[in-house]
Amino acid sequence: GQNIDQPTEMTATEGAIVQINCTYQTSGFNGLFWYQQHAGEAPTFLSYNVLDGLEEKGRFSSFLSRSKGYSYLLLKELQMKDSASYLCAVRRGSTLGRLYFGRGTQLTVWP
Amino acid sequence: DAGVIQSPRHEVTEMGQEVTLRCKPISGHNSLFWYRQTMMRGLELLIYFNNNVPIDDSGMPEDRFSAKMPNASFSTLKIQPSEPRDSAVYFCASSSATGSVEQYFGPGTRLTVT
Repeated sequence: GQNIDQPTEMTATEGAIVQINCTYQTSGFNGLFWYQQHAGEAPTFLSYNVLDGLEEKGRFSSFLSRSKGYSYLLLKELQMKDSASYLCAVRRGSTLGRLYFGRGTQLTVWP
Repeated sequence: DAGVIQSPRHEVTEMGQEVTLRCKPISGHNSLFWYRQTMMRGLELLIYFNNNVPIDDSGMPEDRFSAKMPNASFSTLKIQPSEPRDSAVYFCASSSATGSVEQYFGPGTRLTVT
């Protein structure tokens, strides 16, 4: 199996910045994904990193260090609607390879 | 465009009954994935298909579970006989070999086995 670790829960206030970390151990690494999942809904894609560095997309950014087996998701200008579970997933092998998901980090944003 | 379609959205059945979950992937996508999500185990891949061919079924729990993809627009996940521990949300997802790398998830089927 794959060892994917992320914090179980985090809290933050509206307007703040929060960083959700993810560490992984895997062979044949071929990309790291972040998904957002609101309660009772399906996961939705947020970001994808395959090379080291930062990918920015609006209020959300994701960083990857392959040598350290480490990624983070940065959420800026938090809004109440950002309260959700954030899932880190690692892909092994080919572009068509399967994803291995972490258990998710439940983020609660307080007013 | 329609996203991934799953049916039924909710299923309640008694232990021992057969359950069939259905999925229609996004048109043009050639990879299809079946996941199961529980509080205890999180989101787990059960099986995935590429061009209608099963590629990796190592996540299928046991012989009670089977999946088919008879054509590019339809897949089923069958549990026979069902057990209470099968209670979970089952998601279907699809992706394309070209273009975006992301998997698009369906709304899920919430299965309760009593």
